[in-house]
Amino acid sequence: SSELTQPPSVSVSPGQTATITCSGNNLGDKYVCWYQQKPGQSPVVVIYQDRRRRSGIPARFSGSKSGNTATLTISGTQAMDEADYYCQAWDNNIHVLFGGGTKLTVL
Amino acid sequence: QVQLVQSGAEVKEPGASVKVSCQASGYTFNFYYIHWVRQAPGQGLEWMGRITPNDGDTNYAQKFHGRVTMTRDTSITTSYLELTTLKFDDTAMYYCAKETRSATGMGLDYWGQGTLVSVSS
Repeated sequence: SSELTQPPSVSVSPGQTATITCSGNNLGDKYVCWYQQKPGQSPVVVIYQDRRRRSGIPARFSGSKSGNTATLTISGTQAMDEADYYCQAWDNNIHVLFGGGTKLTVL
Repeated sequence: QVQLVQSGAEVKEPGASVKVSCQASGYTFNFYYIHWVRQAPGQGLEWMGRITPNDGDTNYAQKFHGRVTMTRDTSITTSYLELTTLKFDDTAMYYCAKETRSATGMGLDYWGQGTLVSVSS
């Protein structure tokens, strides 16, 4: 089965740029989405179709993909961005795959 | 506004079954898949499967085959997740979420508030 690999944790200083990667077999052929989950809350999609930002999501969030690695970038990171982030793709356009999640800490 | 409202927390003994509901409102029920995703305490998201509301077609994650059943009642725009033969490690928050059927790659755009299922003797 397919797997998506994320770093368990990323730390960033306020105002700096945070990058979270997600790699997987044949990820270049699949759409990738990114979710933000804050403690005690349900996940929220922030990026869909690799790079499109959901309505209402701040412009500092962006997505990209190169080969089999997708990247979520948060420019000018704010304290409110501290959360767990999950990448997600599809297998055969049906089965949903999640990465293991990355805990973003804003120091 | 779009809402997915889930049933309340459950406490079950090992070996029992649990059925969680997810009532949708604010959108055309048949136009979106309903997915079920769970999250064990302190762990990541785990996809369990999805149901197509208009015909009841289901796709399950291999891990849950034989133990999970997803159904829906279109008259009340509600989807259900039933998990049988519960084990201690089924203790988790269970979420429903919707995904559009009309385009690919859009993601799970709305999520329920979650239902905590605790398996305890």
